[in-house]
Amino acid sequence: QKEVEQNSGPLSVPEGAIASLNCTYSDRGSQSFFWYRQYSGKSPELIMSIYSNGDKEDGRFTAQLNKASQYVSLLIRDSQPSDSATYLCAVETGGSYIPTFGRGTSLIVHP
Amino acid sequence: DAMVIQNPRYQVTQFGKPVTLSCSQTLNHNVMYWYQQKSSQAPKLLFHYYDKDFNNEADTPDNFQSRRPNTSFCFLDIRSPGLGDAAMYLCATSINRVRGYTFGSGTRLTVV
Repeated sequence: QKEVEQNSGPLSVPEGAIASLNCTYSDRGSQSFFWYRQYSGKSPELIMSIYSNGDKEDGRFTAQLNKASQYVSLLIRDSQPSDSATYLCAVETGGSYIPTFGRGTSLIVHP
Repeated sequence: DAMVIQNPRYQVTQFGKPVTLSCSQTLNHNVMYWYQQKSSQAPKLLFHYYDKDFNNEADTPDNFQSRRPNTSFCFLDIRSPGLGDAAMYLCATSINRVRGYTFGSGTRLTVV
C-alpha cells in the first residue's frame, strides 16, 4: 500500500523565520510530487510541484526532492502569519497518475 | 476567470435523505475527481472521470454515486447519508491526470 507520511504538527515558527515541512513516501516508483496549502475550512491550493531530484524555488517557497531517501520537503522563507495553514504533500506514481495525499502538517506562524 | 465551482458551499441534510452535490468547471480539463475529506485527515478519492470513463475506487461505498453529463459538470449523489458521511466534499480537475489538481471551494456536508 502506498503511504505518504507527514508530521501532523503543529509546527510553530516566529514571523520571519524559515519553516521546514517534511514528507516521506513508501513507493519507490513515485514520479511526481506536489505541495498543497489548505486554510482552515477551505479547499487545497497547489503551491509547488517537483519531479526531479534537487531543489525547486518559487518566490519564498523551495521544494526539495531526494528520491534515494524517499522524502520531499517544503521550505518557506520569511514566514508570514498568512502562511499559517495545513500543508498537504501529495505523491504520484508514474503508472497510476492518481496522487496519494498525506494527512498534512499544520503550520502556525506567530507574530 | 477560469475556475472550478462547487454548489452549495454548505449543505445540511437529514439522516437517510438523498443529497446531490454539484461541480462545474470552465478550465476545459478532461479529468474530474471527487474527494471526501474529514477533519485532520487526508483527502480520500471517491471516484474520477477520465474524459467519459468512470473510475470507482475499490473502497468507495455503494451509497455514493456520480454522474458526469458533459465535460463541464459532475455530480455526487449520496443516496442515504449517514452521520459518518459528514465531511468536506472536494471536486478537483486536471489535464490528463498530470501536473497537479485545481480544486473547487468544497461543499461542507452536515448530516442531522
